[in-house]
Amino acid sequence: NAGVMQNPRHLVRRRGQEARLRCSPVKGHSHVYWYRQLPEEGLKFMVYLQKENIIDESGMPKERFSAEFPKEGPSILRIQQVVRGDSAAYFCASSPPDRFDGYTFGSGTRLTVV
Amino acid sequence: QQQVKQSPQSLIVQKGGISIINCAYENTAFDYFPWYQQFPGKGPALLIAIRPDVSEKKEGRFTISFNKSAKQFSLHIMDSQPGDSATYFCAAAGGTSYGKLTFGQGTILTVHP
Repeated sequence: NAGVMQNPRHLVRRRGQEARLRCSPVKGHSHVYWYRQLPEEGLKFMVYLQKENIIDESGMPKERFSAEFPKEGPSILRIQQVVRGDSAAYFCASSPPDRFDGYTFGSGTRLTVV
Repeated sequence: QQQVKQSPQSLIVQKGGISIINCAYENTAFDYFPWYQQFPGKGPALLIAIRPDVSEKKEGRFTISFNKSAKQFSLHIMDSQPGDSATYFCAAAGGTSYGKLTFGQGTILTVHP
């Protein structure tokens, strides 16, 4: 009974490169959420997706960031032209519809921009 | 209006003592209040959660107290153990932001043996 799987666990990118973070939700979960955690801070909501739909992207920076959750395959958080300020831990969570007690987080991807 | 404020930032407790972490929220539409525990290098894990129709919920050594009129809720860890040493986050959700958790800033708990 695998939980939320995120990969890679660690990602190093040079400034200006693209970062692609993957998230496979718990089997049977149809909702995916992405959060960003800066050092010494709490998690900040970025985006909420269902299969092939973006439900709430109010926390996504307007430029360079995009997310998708296709009909088949994992959810992808894509950061184009990364800058040092993008260095953070990015967590994905998944849930069944309308059940917060089923809201499960992955172990995160730690992005370092050098 | 979406903020959740958490205190203290850090807490040191002796083994066997009581750890208390407090949170306050502003958005009266919030109707779900979970607490998460996070160990270094791991994702947050749900510890216990409460809805505003009750004032207290207990699960083992962990208790949430909820004060709707004051818009505050707190986590009590009884008989604290060194294995409880972690970062604890309160969160809130509900209203028009259904599906989105708003987190507090976190409390680093250290339990000394």
